Amino acid sequence: NAGVTQTPKFQVLKTGQSMTLQCAQDMNHNSMYWYRQDPGMGLRLIYYSASEGTTDKGEVPNGYNVSRLNKREFSLRLESAAPSQTSVYFCASSRDGHSYEQYFGPGTRLTVT
Amino acid sequence: KNEVEQSPQNLTAQEGEFITINCSYSVGISALHWLQQHPGGGIVSLFMLSSGKKKHGRLIATINIQEKHSSLHITASHPRDSAVYICAARRSGSEKLVFGKGTKLTVNP
Repeated sequence: NAGVTQTPKFQVLKTGQSMTLQCAQDMNHNSMYWYRQDPGMGLRLIYYSASEGTTDKGEVPNGYNVSRLNKREFSLRLESAAPSQTSVYFCASSRDGHSYEQYFGPGTRLTVT
Repeated sequence: KNEVEQSPQNLTAQEGEFITINCSYSVGISALHWLQQHPGGGIVSLFMLSSGKKKHGRLIATINIQEKHSSLHITASHPRDSAVYICAARRSGSEKLVFGKGTKLTVNP
């Protein structure tokens, strides 16, 4: 089992460009999450999906959109990238959101210039 | 004030020492998670607990619900334990985790 996979691992964007970060899990988990991690700050939730077909905002959703394409895949889209979105992005999944631990992907390091 | 506070921010130890990392939270929670982030950036879950104590190898996690406090202990520390340790609280009735800023542990040989 690959666990949680993310693509790409690294990306450099210019201000105003768009891109989609991909995440997939092969553990048949119901809940999936997108976080960002910035120096000196803890992980912050951008969006999460409790089940296929549902999504909900987290702590810092502005500038992002998500799609829960199916049970396996949860993508994060930046429509018009800004330097403030320079960060490391982690996808995670959990069997459900209430009772189980979360499994994290390897992260995507995004730089917006 | 952050809902989840960790101390210390940085910790340097000699190989073999007993390590304690503390986590205090200010919200009602259903579970407390401890995570480890390796120098390469990967994050793994170490423990999830809602009461008492859990042990896995040289790692022990405890939680005191009344005092809203959790500790992560590492016995006989080793340089491979060098990592950032992150505490995260799941608010009661929520699927969302609130994360501490992490404790960077360096264990010297």
